[in-house]
Amino acid sequence: ETGVTQSPTHLIKTRGQQVTLRCSSQSGHNTVSWYQQALGQGPQFIFQYYREEENGRGNFPPRFSGLQFPNYSSELNVNALELDDSALYLCASSKTGTSVGDEQFFGPGTRLTVL
Amino acid sequence: AQSVTQLDSQVPVFEEAPVELRCNYSSSVSVYLFWYVQYPNQGLQLLLKYLSGSTLVESINGFEAEFNKSQTSFHLRKPSVHISDTAEDFCAVSHLRGNKLVFGAGTILRVKS
Repeated sequence: ETGVTQSPTHLIKTRGQQVTLRCSSQSGHNTVSWYQQALGQGPQFIFQYYREEENGRGNFPPRFSGLQFPNYSSELNVNALELDDSALYLCASSKTGTSVGDEQFFGPGTRLTVL
Repeated sequence: AQSVTQLDSQVPVFEEAPVELRCNYSSSVSVYLFWYVQYPNQGLQLLLKYLSGSTLVESINGFEAEFNKSQTSFHLRKPSVHISDTAEDFCAVSHLRGNKLVFGAGTILRVKS
């Protein structure tokens, strides 16, 4: 069983640029959630995708957007990067449709640095 | 709205000593509770979870946590820690109707020899 994978591992961008982060969900999972973890803080929920539709969003501006594909993999796009976007971006997959509160399996994250 | 407070940012402890990491939550509805562990430069791994039933839950590596509804707490404990337990631990809650996790700020557990 393949776990959650994310790419790239590290990324350096400059202010104003755009970035796309990718996530492959664990086999059999149909839901992907994205979290932002700033240095020294706990992860913050960005949004969740289920059946290719956004299924909940945290307190993040519209320049944070996402996609989920038919194979349940997902992308996180951030436009007009700001210095404060520097963080570890975590993707988590789960299996909606069973019992609520099922475990979310996290990927290793993408470390984004904005200069 | 839900929130999680982890009362200690760092907890230093000697090897083989007991440890408790404190977690309090705030929610107006029923919640599910989780502890995740994060080793340096890695993602999060589930340590244990409370969904329903027995209020005392255990992990495979000796950690346990007890759900206390009246005190809105979910403290993590281990009777004897190992060097390998050095990591950052996060308490999280999930609303009854969704999988969105609300995390605390984390507690760094430093086990010293």
